[in-house]
Amino acid sequence: DTGVSQNPRHKITKRGQNVTFRCDPISEHNRLYWYRQTLGQGPEFLTYFQNEAQLEKSRLLSDRFSAERPKGSFSTLEIQRTEQGDSAMYLCASSLIATDTQYFGPGTRLTVL
Amino acid sequence: EDQVTQSPEALRLQEGESSSLNCSYTVSGLRGLFWYRQDPGKGPEFLFTLYSAGEEKEKERLKATLTKKESFLHITAPKPEDSATYLCAVQEYGNKLVFGAGTILRVKS
Repeated sequence: DTGVSQNPRHKITKRGQNVTFRCDPISEHNRLYWYRQTLGQGPEFLTYFQNEAQLEKSRLLSDRFSAERPKGSFSTLEIQRTEQGDSAMYLCASSLIATDTQYFGPGTRLTVL
Repeated sequence: EDQVTQSPEALRLQEGESSSLNCSYTVSGLRGLFWYRQDPGKGPEFLFTLYSAGEEKEKERLKATLTKKESFLHITAPKPEDSATYLCAVQEYGNKLVFGAGTILRVKS
């Protein structure tokens, strides 16, 4: 059990650029979650997948954000036309349907200049 | 809307000085309450899940308890390596977790 992995670990981009993050969940975990965390706050839910189906999206998630999990394994989170307010730690978590305990990856730290 | 409030925001303890962290919540139907530990620059690390009032779970120097309105994380004889941010989260009928802002714990030797 290798744990949840995320790439890249750090990303610095200029405002207006597009960025894409990848998450590889624990093998055989059918649920995959994305959260965003800013300094001094707890993680905030963005969206989640059960297998390849995206079942819930936060109403806070703007149209510039899109997530996919095409084969029910890894997932990508894309942010288009980045803004300085998008600077945050983006966390991925995975779980089994049976237990639904969410295990988190190390996160991707995004800095938008 | 789910609300999770953690107190205190920060706590400084001497090594061996036991204390408790509080997590109060308002949800219409609690499926589970989760405690995580987070070290700087890292993702949250799962500690405990509690499902019903009266339930208790222990792991090394940590003990988590749950009532109908709040949860406590008791830390007995803490060591410097227990220094971290402790996050509480609730899960209602959906699957997402709603987190509090966390308690920053510093244990000095």
